[in-house]
Amino acid sequence: AQSVSQHNHHVILSEAASLELGCNYSYGGTVNLFWYVQYPGQHLQLLLKYFSGDPLVKGIKGFEAEFIKSKFSFNLRKPSVQWSDTAEYFCAVNTGNTPLVFGKGTRLSVIA
Amino acid sequence: DVKVTQSSRYLVKRTGEKVFLECVQDMDHENMFWYRQDPGLGLRLIYFSYDVKMKEKGDIPEGYSVSREKKERFSLILESASTNQTSMYLCASSSVRMENEQFFGPGTRLTVL
Repeated sequence: AQSVSQHNHHVILSEAASLELGCNYSYGGTVNLFWYVQYPGQHLQLLLKYFSGDPLVKGIKGFEAEFIKSKFSFNLRKPSVQWSDTAEYFCAVNTGNTPLVFGKGTRLSVIA
Repeated sequence: DVKVTQSSRYLVKRTGEKVFLECVQDMDHENMFWYRQDPGLGLRLIYFSYDVKMKEKGDIPEGYSVSREKKERFSLILESASTNQTSMYLCASSSVRMENEQFFGPGTRLTVL
């Protein structure tokens, strides 16, 4: 069975700091990769996704992620975080039409 | 815009009650999912459905059942609620035409006393 590991449970950053959240998955075949974000009191929403092609994927709000197949990784990055990026971030993976398998989430707190 | 709605944002039930959580999507999606979200555990898949009257068990189906009589509606049923089913329940839908991006509802926070 597939599994997804998110390395950090809680990350605290100052505004303007750079962000990198780690995500590794276990499946060795062709995968679809996703990052979702859940702002306080809001729905889970898609931040970005990778299916094929350029391994560097750009998403909304200045986020990007890089798929490194050899490392089974799909890390999320943002060069300069803002207070409004405070949220919980979930990495997810599936293959074909299978349900998404989610990581346990990383809570990001951005302080002024 | 895709919209996934859930019947209640907050629900309080007593142990042993039968509980129905309803989910409706308005984008003609084939696939629908029920997850529960708990702090430190992420999202865990309870049941999913790829078509009307079709259901598949997810990772934690025990104590739950589902019903999908119409394409747009997917119901989660707690046959006899227990305190360990206190959680946030999230419904999602997706379409094979949209590369399986899942769209989520706002969630139902269920408390079982």
